[in-house]
Amino acid sequence: AQSVTQPDIHITVSEGASLELRCNYSYGATPYLFWYVQSPGQGLQLLLKYFSGDTLVQGIKGFEAEFKRSQSSFNLRKPSVHWSDAAEYFCAVGVTGTASKLTFGTGTRLQVTL
Amino acid sequence: EPEVTQTPSHQVTQMGQEVILRCVPISNHLYFYWYRQILGQKVEFLVSFYNNEISEKSEIFDDQFSVERPDGSNFTLKIRSTKLEDSAMYFCASRQPLAGVTEQYFGPGTRLTVT
Repeated sequence: AQSVTQPDIHITVSEGASLELRCNYSYGATPYLFWYVQSPGQGLQLLLKYFSGDTLVQGIKGFEAEFKRSQSSFNLRKPSVHWSDAAEYFCAVGVTGTASKLTFGTGTRLQVTL
Repeated sequence: EPEVTQTPSHQVTQMGQEVILRCVPISNHLYFYWYRQILGQKVEFLVSFYNNEISEKSEIFDDQFSVERPDGSNFTLKIRSTKLEDSAMYFCASRQPLAGVTEQYFGPGTRLTVT
């Protein structure tokens, strides 16, 4: 069965600093990978996705992620964090098939200090 | 931009009562999902629905749960006899009718509190 690990429960960065959130997955076939963000009181918003092709994918709000098959990782990065980026970030793997359900990691809560 | 909506935003109910959580998926989407997130835990898949029937369900989705698409716009999750452990945030999601794995669009969630 597929699984996702986000080793960092909580990360604090200063505004303007760079950010990297880690995500490792376990899935026997080609993974379909996603990063979602959840602001307080809001739903899950898709930041970016990887299906195939270029392993560096660009998303909204200046985020990018790199798929590394050899490390089973899909880390999320941003060169300069803004205070509005404070939120919970979820990595997810999609399973092929009719249902195409998503399996999520436990999330990383990002705090941004001014 | 089209979005998934959910009502109510917060539902408080007593143990043993029935609740119905409602969702309006994006209009041209044909795959629908329910997920839940117990406080402090990960988002978990409950059920997927396509062509008026359940496509897949998790082990969490037992006989107390049911889903329905009563009309062309709503998608509901019913919990027949709520338990304390059903307290969670419930998310509805939908996606386009494309082959393979495509992104799912999530609603803002309904927080269910069972007392």
